[in-house]
Amino acid sequence: SYVLTQPPSVSEAPGQTARITCGGNNIGSKNVHWYQQKPGQAPVLVVYHDSDRPSGIPERFSGSNSGNTATLTISRVEAGDEADYYCQVWDSSSDHRGVFGGGTKLTVL
Amino acid sequence: QVQLVQSGAEVKKPGSSVKVSCKASGGTFNSYAINWVRQAPGQGLEWMGGIIPIFGTTNYAQKFQGTVTITTDESTSTAYMELSSLRSEDTAVYYCARSSYFHDGSGSYYVSGWFDPWGQGTLVTVSS
Repeated sequence: SYVLTQPPSVSEAPGQTARITCGGNNIGSKNVHWYQQKPGQAPVLVVYHDSDRPSGIPERFSGSNSGNTATLTISRVEAGDEADYYCQVWDSSSDHRGVFGGGTKLTVL
Repeated sequence: QVQLVQSGAEVKKPGSSVKVSCKASGGTFNSYAINWVRQAPGQGLEWMGGIIPIFGTTNYAQKFQGTVTITTDESTSTAYMELSSLRSEDTAVYYCARSSYFHDGSGSYYVSGWFDPWGQGTLVTVSS
C-alpha cells in the first residue's frame, strides 16, 4: 500500500515561512490535498490539487508537488496557524483507496 | 453551501455494533461521494471508505473490509457508517466528508478528490 511520510513537528517564529513536507514514491504524479486541524475541531481543507486554495483560505497558504515530495508552505506564519496538518492522496494501485500522511504539528514559537 | 451534520456520541460494549449518520443539507446529495474518516485519541486521520450515492458504489480500506458498511438514504440525504465487532481500539472520533468521484473508462466508478466539507465528528467510545 502507498505510504505518505510527514515530519512529526515543525516550528517557526511568527512572520517567518513554515514548510511542511509530505513524502511518497513518485508523489509528483498524484494530486495532493492538505488539511488543517485545530484541537477539538474537524479538519479543514487548505490546499487541493497540489496548489489550489479553497475560497476563504488566505493566500499565505500555498502548495507544490514534484518528484517524491509535496510541500505545504505557510508564509508570514501567525499564531492562529498553529495546528496539525495532514496531506492526502488516492492510491490507485490498490483499488483506489484514500491515504493520509501521519500529520505534522506546526508550533508557532 | 453544503453542510454535513452527524449524529451524537455513542458508548458501546465490545463485540457490539455502532451506526453513525451524516445528514447533508444545502446541496445535491447525489452529485458527490461521502467518505468516512476516523481519528483515534491523539492519533492521525484514517480513511475508512466511501460511497457514491447515485450508484450505491462503495470503496473500503482493506483494513475495514468485512467490518464496515457504508450506506445512504437518498430520500433524507443521509449517509450511514456501521462498524461491527467493536473493540476498544475502535474508540475514536468518526468524521464524514464529501468528495468527488470519477469513472475509469471501463465501467467502474471510484471515490476520489479532496474532502470538503467535513461533518463535526462523532465520538464512539468502546468500553466494557
